[in-house]
Amino acid sequence: QVQLQESGPGLVKPSETLSLTCTVSGGSVSSGSYYWSWIRQPPGKGLEWIGYIYYSESTYYNPSLESRVTISVDTSKNQFSLKLTSVTAADTAVYYCAREDSSSSDDYLDYWGQGTLVTVSS
Amino acid sequence: DIQMTQSPSSLSASVGDRVTITCRASQTVRRYLNWYQQKLGKAPKVLIYAASSLQSGVPSRFSGSGSGTDFTLTISNLQPEDFATYYCQQSFSNPRTFGQGTKLEI
Repeated sequence: QVQLQESGPGLVKPSETLSLTCTVSGGSVSSGSYYWSWIRQPPGKGLEWIGYIYYSESTYYNPSLESRVTISVDTSKNQFSLKLTSVTAADTAVYYCAREDSSSSDDYLDYWGQGTLVTVSS
Repeated sequence: DIQMTQSPSSLSASVGDRVTITCRASQTVRRYLNWYQQKLGKAPKVLIYAASSLQSGVPSRFSGSGSGTDFTLTISNLQPEDFATYYCQQSFSNPRTFGQGTKLEI
């Protein structure tokens, strides 16, 4: 069974960098059949797709965040990470890591982490 | 970006009812349309992928239909555990986009 678990600071100061890691078990982040994704959800609001990484190095980011986002993979630890720079209060959200299954060309998010709340505040 | 619009934004129903949620895309997404259920404080869970394919383990009272720009999620014989928020999502192009959500209440 695939499991994903987010980890990282729950509080980040404005203008600093938000850094989160997703540890994957039961599957390999090196697999080319899956896109390793980040999604966020501000309190009480809907879901926003941040981006994904696949083939360990290819990435696609939401243009609304592209100038501030980096997603990377550590294959030795079977983890992938999110960095979001110059954060503001608008970046306060629950951050989810998830796997997008593209193995059958249907492309859907089949496994999710439990989510972690990141608050941006001084 | 492809805009996804769900209707209604909220819906009241009773156990045993049949409900339908609609999702419209601003341009064609072919059949790359997925439905997720999210319960309070939990991560979303996929119900339907590729417009009409039922994810393994999901009860058959959930069904999806549509293609192109117009899609529906139907829940038959509502159960108490079905009261949640539902999101559609297109995976036809990047950036992936979600609908705003439909809150299904008792």
